Amino acid sequence: EIVMTQSPATLSVSPGERATLSCRASQSVSSNLAWYQQKPGQAPRLLIYGASTRATGIPARFSGSGSGTEFTLTISSLQSEDFAVYYCQQYNNWPAYTFGQGTKLEIK
Amino acid sequence: EVQLVESGGGLVQPGGSLRLSCAASGFTFSSYWMSWVRQAPGKGLEWVANIKQDGSEKYYVDSVKGRFTISRDNAKNSLYLQMNSLRAEDTAVYYCARPTYYDILTGYYGGFDPWGQGTLVTVSS
Repeated sequence: EIVMTQSPATLSVSPGERATLSCRASQSVSSNLAWYQQKPGQAPRLLIYGASTRATGIPARFSGSGSGTEFTLTISSLQSEDFAVYYCQQYNNWPAYTFGQGTKLEIK
Repeated sequence: EVQLVESGGGLVQPGGSLRLSCAASGFTFSSYWMSWVRQAPGKGLEWVANIKQDGSEKYYVDSVKGRFTISRDNAKNSLYLQMNSLRAEDTAVYYCARPTYYDILTGYYGGFDPWGQGTLVTVSS
């Protein structure tokens, strides 16, 4: 099983600043990685797939990078609606998937 | 509008059974793999099961193998999850989701989009 580890568990950032979230895979997942945003009481929303491709309708302030075992989600100039929990997910082990444990992005 | 709507959740005793449904609309349901994902209260996301477009292939996370069965009815644009021998640790919100983005080089499907709103399953005596 591929284990996905996200860091930090909680990230405190001020609105307007940049947030950088990390995701590490226990073995290479190539670029088969997605990122999701989840707000309280809501279903997750797909942000990024293929490690760096934004999903339809996702603002350009969200960007993904990395390949192999190290990945980053960057949110430039945080907006109030961006404070949420973020999950990474690998699909290199298709048709099985595993998620990271999540990073909570909170207002500083 | 592409939409997934789950139903069938509720309170069930340990050892009991429950059948979840997911109604799809706004897209050609029979053209897509479909999945179930769950989230225990206050916890992260866990993939549960996948089913191929024609139902000929099914895959499960180890913790539900032999207890849960994923199925679909393409004529009704519906996805199902039959859950038997339920345990307390199965308590979660269950989401249906569509693996949408196909990588032509690998043949893999990545990126769940859309998701349903979820249905809560509580296993407790």
